Amino acid sequence: DVKVTQSSRYLVKRTGEKVFLECVQDMDHENMFWYRQDPGLGLRLIYFSYDVKMKEKGDIPEGYSVSREKKERFSLILESASTNQTSMYLCASSPLIGLEAEAFFGQGTRLTVV
Amino acid sequence: AQSVSQHNHHVILSEAASLELGCNYSYGGTVNLFWYVQYPGQHLQLLLKYFSGDPLVKGIKGFEAEFIKSKFSFNLRKPSVQWSDTAEYFCAVLPYQLIWGAGTKLIIKP
Repeated sequence: DVKVTQSSRYLVKRTGEKVFLECVQDMDHENMFWYRQDPGLGLRLIYFSYDVKMKEKGDIPEGYSVSREKKERFSLILESASTNQTSMYLCASSPLIGLEAEAFFGQGTRLTVV
Repeated sequence: AQSVSQHNHHVILSEAASLELGCNYSYGGTVNLFWYVQYPGQHLQLLLKYFSGDPLVKGIKGFEAEFIKSKFSFNLRKPSVQWSDTAEYFCAVLPYQLIWGAGTKLIIKP
């Protein structure tokens, strides 16, 4: 069974704090993704990575950065948290982009910025 | 730009009713199609997928979906819903990366 693990289920941070969200997958997948999920907006892609140290901006990268130093780990960084970044953050991994690229998701991290 | 449209944000049904959730996409080329489900408090999981072949796809828990290429649609169906089907359902399309619909919250009244 593919397992995608996010380090925290719930986080509360103050405005201006630097926030790290960690994600680890155990299936040697090349691709990893960070999404945010907001009511009525579905899933919006923040960043994705297709290999170690490789990253691509998604649809809403502003205010975020990512790090992928090891294949199994993909970190999302909020350099200076703001209240409009309060959301559910989902990490996913998949074996490849293209044919049959089924994504596997973590449980999500609900981040509240106060 | 490519997009995925789910027609209803909220659907409320009684148990044993039939279900159809609409999904349309805008992309003219070859696509892979997915329905994901998120039960309350749980992670997103794959319900069914279409890559090629028979356009009628059967998934888990009695769900099925039909790909109609001429209509750019991939509607999800279930003939008789149960209370345990209460969840949020997401349609996703893969031309080169996953593009997601906004989701449909399904509430089944016992």
